[in-house]
Amino acid sequence: IAGITQAPTSQILAAGRRMTLRCTQDMRHNAMYWYRQDLGLGLRLIHYSNTAGTTGKGEVPDGYSVSRANTDDFPLTLASAVPSQTSVYFCASSRDVNTGELFFGEGSRLTVL
Amino acid sequence: RKEVEQDPGPFNVPEGATVAFNCTYSNSASQSFFWYRQDCRKEPKLLMSVYSSGNEDGRFTAQLNRASQYISLLIRDSKLSDSATYLCAVNAEYGNKLVFGAGTILRVKS
Repeated sequence: IAGITQAPTSQILAAGRRMTLRCTQDMRHNAMYWYRQDLGLGLRLIHYSNTAGTTGKGEVPDGYSVSRANTDDFPLTLASAVPSQTSVYFCASSRDVNTGELFFGEGSRLTVL
Repeated sequence: RKEVEQDPGPFNVPEGATVAFNCTYSNSASQSFFWYRQDCRKEPKLLMSVYSSGNEDGRFTAQLNRASQYISLLIRDSKLSDSATYLCAVNAEYGNKLVFGAGTILRVKS
């Protein structure tokens, strides 16, 4: 089934460790996004990519980095995890940056101890 | 003030009831508005877009009030399966990225 695949679905991580959340889409969408969702705060944009080879900062980019080497993949890296990065992370894509219909992956639940 | 604000609820309604949610936004220049639905521990999915003229899809009606800067979602004849969190989304001041509200919880009870 076409869509977005995230991995891992769940992870417990020690503070200070490096972690990469993977995201792959097979819809040939140009734009991709990473959001984190926390209780009471809703979805907050971390980083985005309008097209392969470009990335941009969202609302809460500190402590995270992304890359977009090709159309399909958009990994999110936590260089040195901290407990405040405990959250549910959603990767999403859209046909292009001007389209409001986002397709989300199933999420990655990350706990940093 | 948050860019997009919603009443968190929960709204507890009986089956068959009509329920409405509002979502206020702060950027008067926003052009795109959406309602997403999120089931417990699942990913958000687009429910409907909100056009200037309003939008109706079966039991769901979405409207935009630019003067007061809010969008609304009306659900008629509520079903148990409508129980979910409803997120509104508005394009942001920076670029054209969507900003989401924190969501309104709806619980439909038999």
